[in-house]
Amino acid sequence: GNSVTQMEGPVTLSEEAFLTINCTYTATGYPSLFWYVQYPGEGLQLLLKATKADDKGSNKGFEATYRKETTSFHLEKGSVQVSDSAVYFCALSDRSNDYKLSFGAGTTVTVRA
Amino acid sequence: DTEVTQTPKHLVMGMTNKKSLKCEQHMGHRAMYWYKQKAKKPPELMFVYSYEKLSINESVPSRFSPECPNSSLLNLHLHALQPEDSALYLCASSQVRGLAGGGDEQFFGPGTRLTVL
Repeated sequence: GNSVTQMEGPVTLSEEAFLTINCTYTATGYPSLFWYVQYPGEGLQLLLKATKADDKGSNKGFEATYRKETTSFHLEKGSVQVSDSAVYFCALSDRSNDYKLSFGAGTTVTVRA
Repeated sequence: DTEVTQTPKHLVMGMTNKKSLKCEQHMGHRAMYWYKQKAKKPPELMFVYSYEKLSINESVPSRFSPECPNSSLLNLHLHALQPEDSALYLCASSQVRGLAGGGDEQFFGPGTRLTVL
């Protein structure tokens, strides 16, 4: 079946630091991959996505590249801000699972000024 | 309009009460979802509607009753809930792709924070 493994948190960074959150997946088909972000007290927002191998998703300074050979979709940002403090979820959807989203456990990121 | 709206934002109810959560989207999506999210955990899928018909029920207790009155609206009727049902309830929508109605990219609402006393 499908599964997503994210690096354990919480992650605490200083402003302008480099952020990486590792995400690896297991899927029986050819999944689409997503990063969702959840700010405190809010719902989930789609941050970026990639639908095929070697695609790079990017948004708000965040990037992630779909790596089929390593089954990974690591999230990166070069210079974080306090406003990036949130919980980040890696997720996949795949035809073999009726396109239901499979989420990672989530990584809590706190950025300090 | 790329927004999913949910009402109410907060809800406190007793175990004998009946209440409803509402969700609305105007993106033309024909798949709509209910999720339950506990603190610090990823959302758990409860129900999927595809073309206004229930296509997936993830073995949810009958005290939760979903309804899809039209292509833009999704309700979740609550009755005789337990304190452990306290959580954030999220609605989402997407284009339909799968046979069971699951979509690819899902758009989430802000959620209803439910407390059961």
